[in-house]
Amino acid sequence: GENVEQHPSTLSVQEGDSAVIKCTYSDSASNYFPWYKQELGKGPQLIIDIRSNVGEKKDQRIAVTLNKTAKHFSLHITETQPEDSAVYFCAATTGGTSYGKLTFGQGTILTVHP
Amino acid sequence: NAGVTQTPKFRVLKTGQSMTLLCAQDMNHEYMYWYRQDPGMGLRLIHYSVGEGTTAKGEVPDGYNVSRLKKQNFLLGLESAAPSQTSVYFCASSWDRGRSPLHFGNGTRLTVT
Repeated sequence: GENVEQHPSTLSVQEGDSAVIKCTYSDSASNYFPWYKQELGKGPQLIIDIRSNVGEKKDQRIAVTLNKTAKHFSLHITETQPEDSAVYFCAATTGGTSYGKLTFGQGTILTVHP
Repeated sequence: NAGVTQTPKFRVLKTGQSMTLLCAQDMNHEYMYWYRQDPGMGLRLIHYSVGEGTTAKGEVPDGYNVSRLKKQNFLLGLESAAPSQTSVYFCASSWDRGRSPLHFGNGTRLTVT
C-alpha cells in the first residue's frame, strides 16, 4: 500500500522567514496531494492541494510543488507569521485497486517565533 | 452551516465500558470517515462510508463498529474499550472519495483508564 513520509517532524522559524515541509510517497499511481493545517484543539483544515498533472500551485504565501519522477512534494510558506504556527499534514491519494485511499504523513509541528 | 459536528468533545471511560461517538454533517456529502490521531502517527482511517447504509473497514478497524443509517450521520462505537483506544477521534466528510477536500470536525478526546 501507499506510504507517506513527512519531514521534518518539528520546524522552528523566525517571523518573516520561509518554511519548507517535504513529503515522499511510494505509490506511483498516487494522483492527488492535499495539505492540511491543524490548529490546537481543532480538526485539520485543507490549505492547498495539487493534482498529478500539475507541477506547482500557489495561493498567496503558500505554494506546493510536486515531482512525480522523484515521488515527492513540498509545502512552502513564505513570510511566515505567528498565526502560521500549527501542525501540518501532507497526504496522498492512490488510484488503481486502492482507488481514493488517502494516506497521511506523520505531521510537522511548525512554530513561528515573533 | 455548521459543517461537521462531533459529540462529545471529551470522554473518559473505564476499560470494558462502551460508548458511541456521534458525527453529523450538513453539507450533503456522500462520503464520511472516522480517523484516529495519535502522536507521531498522523491520521489513521478506522472506518468509512460511501453512502447511506454502507460502511467499510479502513486501516485500523479492530475494536470499532460504525453505522450510517442516515446520510448526514456517521456513528462510531466502541463495544469494550481498551487503553489502546485512548486517542483523539476525528470525523470527516467529502463529496468525492480521496480526491476532494476532507471537512473535519473538531474531534473527540477519549481516554480509557
